[in-house]
Amino acid sequence: AQTVTQSQPEMSVQEAETVTLSCTYDTSESNYYLFWYKQPPSRQMILVIRQEAYKQQNATENRFSVNFQKAAKSFSLKISDSQLGDTAMYFCAFFNTGNQFYFGTGTSLTVIP
Amino acid sequence: ETGVTQSPTHLIKTRGQQVTLRCSSQSGHNTVSWYQQALGQGPQFIFQYYREEENGRGNFPPRFSGLQFPNYSSELNVNALELDDSALYLCASSLPGLGLGNEQFFGPGTRLTVL
Repeated sequence: AQTVTQSQPEMSVQEAETVTLSCTYDTSESNYYLFWYKQPPSRQMILVIRQEAYKQQNATENRFSVNFQKAAKSFSLKISDSQLGDTAMYFCAFFNTGNQFYFGTGTSLTVIP
Repeated sequence: ETGVTQSPTHLIKTRGQQVTLRCSSQSGHNTVSWYQQALGQGPQFIFQYYREEENGRGNFPPRFSGLQFPNYSSELNVNALELDDSALYLCASSLPGLGLGNEQFFGPGTRLTVL
């Protein structure tokens, strides 16, 4: 069975600083997709960044980047130049070839002015 | 472009009752997934529908069932409600592409409380 683990329930960062959120997962598959989703206090979940497992290059989206270590089954999210609007719950998610999504338990990030 | 919408916003039911939640997918999206998010937890995948057929299912009992209509809107039905069914139910739509890993667009959710 696939599992996604986020070991940091809460984190905080000063505005303009950099923060890294951790995620590990467990799977026996070789082809899959990994995601980071953001859920602001208003509840609507939005995609932050996406990584395809067969691509070795780490995905980046503006201030957001990932460190994908396939052998270690690790998928961390780095947020640079943190902004107040980055305050939210962040979920790491795994999508497999069986059309199933698995989410972690989330990390609550607070950006401090 | 209209985003994903869900109805109702909130719902209160009693144990043993049945409930139907509704979702309208984003324009052009023909794949809909449903999730259960308990308080303080991550979303749990219930199932996915593509072209009106179930296309993947998580670890939920058969009393959780769904439908997708020709216009790609969807319903989630839960029979014999239990107290543990109290949660935020999220719907997400996507384009299937190659069938894997496309971005999902989430609705605001339906908060279900079972008393």
